[in-house]
Amino acid sequence: QVQLQESGPGLVEASQTLSLTCTVSGGSITSNTYYWTWIRQHPGKGLEWIGYIYYTGSTYHNPSLKSRMTMSVDTTNNQFSLKLTSVTAADTAVYYCARDRGGYGNPDSWGLGTLVTVSS
Amino acid sequence: QSALTQPASVSGSPGQSITISCTGTSSDVGAYNYVSWYQKHPGKAPKVMIYDVTNRPSGVSSRFSGSKSGNAASLTISGLQAEDEAEYYCSSYTTSTTLVFGGGTKLTVL
Repeated sequence: QVQLQESGPGLVEASQTLSLTCTVSGGSITSNTYYWTWIRQHPGKGLEWIGYIYYTGSTYHNPSLKSRMTMSVDTTNNQFSLKLTSVTAADTAVYYCARDRGGYGNPDSWGLGTLVTVSS
Repeated sequence: QSALTQPASVSGSPGQSITISCTGTSSDVGAYNYVSWYQKHPGKAPKVMIYDVTNRPSGVSSRFSGSKSGNAASLTISGLQAEDEAEYYCSSYTTSTTLVFGGGTKLTVL
């Protein structure tokens, strides 16, 4: 049973960089079946797809965030990461990492989510 | 990319059936059979209830079913139970190789 766990600072200052890591256990991040996904939920709002990364390093981004985000994968440690630069209060959200089977919007396993608050 | 359109809320009594709609465009819902539905309880991670328009993951009750016609998809829950009360989101793969979510629908079991 695969498990995903987000980690990173819960508080980031405005204009700084948000950095999160997702550790995958119980399955290999190099599986050719899955894409590794970031999704967020702003307080009291709906879900927003951030992007996903394949184990080869290929990435797909939400166009609205593309200029500020970087995703990477660490196959040695079975982890993938998200960096979001120049954050503002609008980036305050619960961030989820998930495993998407096939990359067509079927995230079948999710982390518990981590709240990131941007302070001014 | 614009969010898919869902009703803000729906309600039903135990035992009844409800349907939640998800309207997109020919660039997302209408383009592929890659519509998913998620159930989200407060403070919990979302759970996929339907994927690829009509498929149920293992362990999801057969009371949940999905369909699609043109640019609109639907989730139907039959035999409503108190535990079904949650927020429901749809998502669709798009022609831009991105994923777009609906705004969410709060289901109240009366």
